[in-house]
Amino acid sequence: AQKITQTQPGMFVQEKEAVTLDCTYDTSDQSYGLFWYKQPSSGEMIFLIYQGSYDEQNATEGRYSLNFQKARKSANLVISASQLGDSAMYFCAMSASGSARQLTFGSGTQLTVLP
Amino acid sequence: AAGVIQSPRHLIKEKRETATLKCYPIPRHDTVYWYQQGPGQDPQFLISFYEKMQSDKGSIPDRFSAQQFSDYHSELNMSSLELGDSALYFCASSYPYRGDTEAFFGQGTRLTVV
Repeated sequence: AQKITQTQPGMFVQEKEAVTLDCTYDTSDQSYGLFWYKQPSSGEMIFLIYQGSYDEQNATEGRYSLNFQKARKSANLVISASQLGDSAMYFCAMSASGSARQLTFGSGTQLTVLP
Repeated sequence: AAGVIQSPRHLIKEKRETATLKCYPIPRHDTVYWYQQGPGQDPQFLISFYEKMQSDKGSIPDRFSAQQFSDYHSELNMSSLELGDSALYFCASSYPYRGDTEAFFGQGTRLTVV
């Protein structure tokens, strides 16, 4: 069984600053994938970034980077230079075998960017 | 770029009625997933299809069924609706030749059962 833990129900960050959203996971699978999604108040689920368990380099996508520490089973999302439009719920998710076929989501972190 | 299209966006049904949700994946994506997100909850995986065959099954009630058609669109059929079925239902699609590492979600269908 897989489990995702997001311990920060809510986070605040000042505009233009960087913020780290925590995510830890538990799995007995050797191969797995880690995902981050953004859900604005409008409800849609927006894919942000992916990290495979065998990827040695941390994934980056524009202002998003994933701080992958395999030994600690953590996959924190770092957002650099926060923007007001980054205010949303952020979900960490994982799947077995690295594919997105059956994602297990964490409980989410509500990020609010302050002007 | 084309995205995952879900219809309808909003649906109101009474208890014990049936509902059909439709999902049109991104062109060339042949894998479709369905998720249910209750109010204030994280999304829960229901079921997925690859090349029109069911590939994985999650916490989908027996009252629900789904299929993927020859044009790769998918439908989620929900019968004997209960108040607890009120949720946001997401469809997502991915492209296996990219290792299914990116699942793109539709905007969701918000189902309200009254």
